[in-house]
Amino acid sequence: GQQVMQIPQYQHVQEGEDFTTYCNSSTTLSNIQWYKQRPGGHPVFLIQLVKSGEVKKQKRLTFQFGEAKKNSSLHITATQTTDVGTYFCAGWMGSARQLTFGSGTQLTVLP
Amino acid sequence: GAGVSQTPSNKVTEKGKYVELRCDPISGHTALYWYRQSLGQGPEFLIYFQGTGAADDSGLPNDRFFAVRPEGSVSTLKIQRTERGDSAVYLCASSLRGQLAYEQFFGPGTRLTVL
Repeated sequence: GQQVMQIPQYQHVQEGEDFTTYCNSSTTLSNIQWYKQRPGGHPVFLIQLVKSGEVKKQKRLTFQFGEAKKNSSLHITATQTTDVGTYFCAGWMGSARQLTFGSGTQLTVLP
Repeated sequence: GAGVSQTPSNKVTEKGKYVELRCDPISGHTALYWYRQSLGQGPEFLIYFQGTGAADDSGLPNDRFFAVRPEGSVSTLKIQRTERGDSAVYLCASSLRGQLAYEQFFGPGTRLTVL
């Protein structure tokens, strides 16, 4: 079936270090969304990417959508303790009416 | 304004019992989604409503699971003859429209434990 894979599953960084999570789909995506889930919380929408090769920035966060629209990445510059949580990518595939989530990358930031 | 609300926040039941989980979406959102999230996993799609109708129920694991949204607002997820494997957090999300361009707003979830 349609799958969205994310790596790494876990990442521990020292505060101030950079962090990147990668998302790969088995099929071409119509678009991709990124969500953040704080410990004990629910997923919160961060951004949506639609165009091939698109790059979007939100302060210290940079999101990229691959040229083939099958992969994406989220890069955080100079992590802070407030960045702690699990980051999920989620893709819409073709004519599907459902969002397929990756398994997430759990980020721990050590002070 | 008010976000998506879900009740109860926690539900403990015994194997074989029937449970109902309620979702109250953001007012004016026509699309409503149910997901199931197990520990360490991403949300797994169950069913999508556009208005009152189930536009896609392909994620429901079997016929013990059923959901309704009779007036196009509140939705109820119903699970019959619960099994221990049904234990998970059940998330509801709503969006303005049921199309891929719209972000989904998630509720706090209902943690279901089947003993």
